[in-house]
Amino acid sequence: EDQVTQSPEALRLQEGESSSLNCSYTVSGLRGLFWYRQDPGKGPEFLFTLYSAGEEKEKERLKATLTKKESFLHITAPKPEDSATYLCAVVESGGFKTIFGAGTRLFVKA
Amino acid sequence: GAVVSQHPSRVICKSGTSVKIECRSLDFQATTMFWYRQFPKQSLMLMATSNEGSKATYEQGVEKDKFLINHASLTLSTLTVTSAHPEDSSFYICSARSQGYGYTFGSGTRLTVV
Repeated sequence: EDQVTQSPEALRLQEGESSSLNCSYTVSGLRGLFWYRQDPGKGPEFLFTLYSAGEEKEKERLKATLTKKESFLHITAPKPEDSATYLCAVVESGGFKTIFGAGTRLFVKA
Repeated sequence: GAVVSQHPSRVICKSGTSVKIECRSLDFQATTMFWYRQFPKQSLMLMATSNEGSKATYEQGVEKDKFLINHASLTLSTLTVTSAHPEDSSFYICSARSQGYGYTFGSGTRLTVV
């Protein structure tokens, strides 16, 4: 069964305290892995797409990496405005169906 | 970037009535749109895949007669929750696949059935 598991469920950081979020996945073939940010009461906001193992992408304080079994979202020197739920999703090769993880709720305290 | 506009953002309706949610792709054509629901502190669960000009494909356990989906044009898909009940209260989100931007999501609709 295809699965996407994110950890931790919640993460509390002090401003400037770098950390990483994990997304492990089990699919027969990966078409793409996506990271989204979701603020309360809003739809997910696209951050990154990763397609193959070894690929990395960066955007401001965020960096996403991908291996054959998992992806990490590294947050460097986070700020309070980075507080949100970060969702990981995968699309299996040969299709368009997106499978979402449960998300990691990030809280960054000033 | 690709933008998906979803309306209304919030709706409160009486039990037994129907509610229509619209999802529009503003600057691109979306042959396929997806409808999700999300319960508090849970992830998005795919309800159905909407294809322009054809019948929607529903996920297992989703009642197609209750959640009517229409995708009449390349820029508009609608979800109608028929005979809504309190257990249908949820956050409904649409998304569309856009070239180069992955899957762009609407801003969501908070449905409360009283």
